[in-house]
Amino acid sequence: TQLLEQSPQFLSIQEGENLTVYCNSSSVFSSLQWYRQEPGEGPVLLVTVVTGGEVKKLKRLTFQFGDARKDSSLHITAAQPGDTGLYLCAGVGAGGTSYGKLTFGQGTILTVHP
Amino acid sequence: DTGVSQDPRHKITKRGQNVTFRCDPISEHNRLYWYRQTLGQGPEFLTYFQNEAQLEKSRLLSDRFSAERPKGSFSTLEIQRTEQGDSAMYLCASRGQGRYEQYFGPGTRLTVT
Repeated sequence: TQLLEQSPQFLSIQEGENLTVYCNSSSVFSSLQWYRQEPGEGPVLLVTVVTGGEVKKLKRLTFQFGDARKDSSLHITAAQPGDTGLYLCAGVGAGGTSYGKLTFGQGTILTVHP
Repeated sequence: DTGVSQDPRHKITKRGQNVTFRCDPISEHNRLYWYRQTLGQGPEFLTYFQNEAQLEKSRLLSDRFSAERPKGSFSTLEIQRTEQGDSAMYLCASRGQGRYEQYFGPGTRLTVT
């Protein structure tokens, strides 16, 4: 069974601060995706990382995939209240027949105070 | 808007009743997934379709659950004899061939009273 440990579970910060969310596993993933979810809505895809060591930037968000493809991080620079939400990492297991199904972390609830 | 759509968005039912949810994937996507999400948790995989073939089912999918994708387009998820433990958000996602990205619909929130 592949598990993704996401930390921290809760994050409450002031506008303008930086933050990092971590996603760790003992399993190798062929790809990893980060989503943001608002209450009562489905997850919205932010980014997909595929190559070990890959770094992708989306405005103030920086995503990194670990060299061994077992972990990932999301860094937000100068957080804004509009960044508030649930952030989820999700990986597709490498090897075997995974059919691309996603294994999700528990999520990080981010609150950015004005 | 050509995103994934789900219907209904909310469903309240009494224990023991049957419910059916519908998912319309992005039109050119041949891969379709169902997930279930309970409060405070990340989504959990339920089942996967490639075109009309159901290729994988999670152990979470008890015999009260059935899913179909008869023509390889929309999919339905039926829960028979609902239980309070079935209360959750049911999410559908689709993916194009050769692509990694999965796009989710808005979900169906089921409440069993």
